[in-house]
Amino acid sequence: DTAVSQTPKYLVTQMGNDKSIKCEQNLGHDTMYWYKQDSKKFLKIMFSYNNKELIINETVPNRFSPKSPDKAHLNLHINSLELGDSAVYFCASSQSLNSPLHFGNGTRLTVT
Amino acid sequence: KQEVTQIPAALSVPEGENLVLNCSFTDSAIYNLQWFRQDPGKGLTSLLLIQSSQREQTSGRLNASLDKSSGRSTLYIAASQPGDSATYLCAVPTQGGSEKLVFGKGTKLTVNP
Repeated sequence: DTAVSQTPKYLVTQMGNDKSIKCEQNLGHDTMYWYKQDSKKFLKIMFSYNNKELIINETVPNRFSPKSPDKAHLNLHINSLELGDSAVYFCASSQSLNSPLHFGNGTRLTVT
Repeated sequence: KQEVTQIPAALSVPEGENLVLNCSFTDSAIYNLQWFRQDPGKGLTSLLLIQSSQREQTSGRLNASLDKSSGRSTLYIAASQPGDSATYLCAVPTQGGSEKLVFGKGTKLTVNP
């Protein structure tokens, strides 16, 4: 009964490849997010969707494209992977502005 | 621009000790403040969310306080246990009621048996 689940847990790939990370939440939340945690453990927001609509799009290379087929899913597709994309990517969801954020367990992406 | 600082970066205490983790933020016009816990290889778990109108929130052995005017929050952990060992992060919205959260870099807590 995992609340926010993301797959895969680990992703090792070569530079130039295209990869996707999937995220699903079963909490009935309206808003979903993608965060990136770099090697220094600094956590930064990338995107946010509310009811399938993009509401936050931080300064992220357009090689990163989120897709929300429905409000329970928010996937992240990355084109032409670069070494600097190596990080842990976290999916999260919340019911509203004033509600706690629920995180998935993260996807560790390693680009070689 | 909202910036969040957490001090200390790391803390090691013996089991049973009471401790305080600190969080400061530069823009006091916040909607709320959240404290999270992150275990190695895991996502973040929300511990406490304090609304801007509140001064503190309690959950079990945890008590979080908020002083908006001074841009500070503290997380008090009573009677610490080895299972409390983790990284603790605080987060506030970038501005007002924004859904963008700015996170501190966290305090890595080690509770020694």
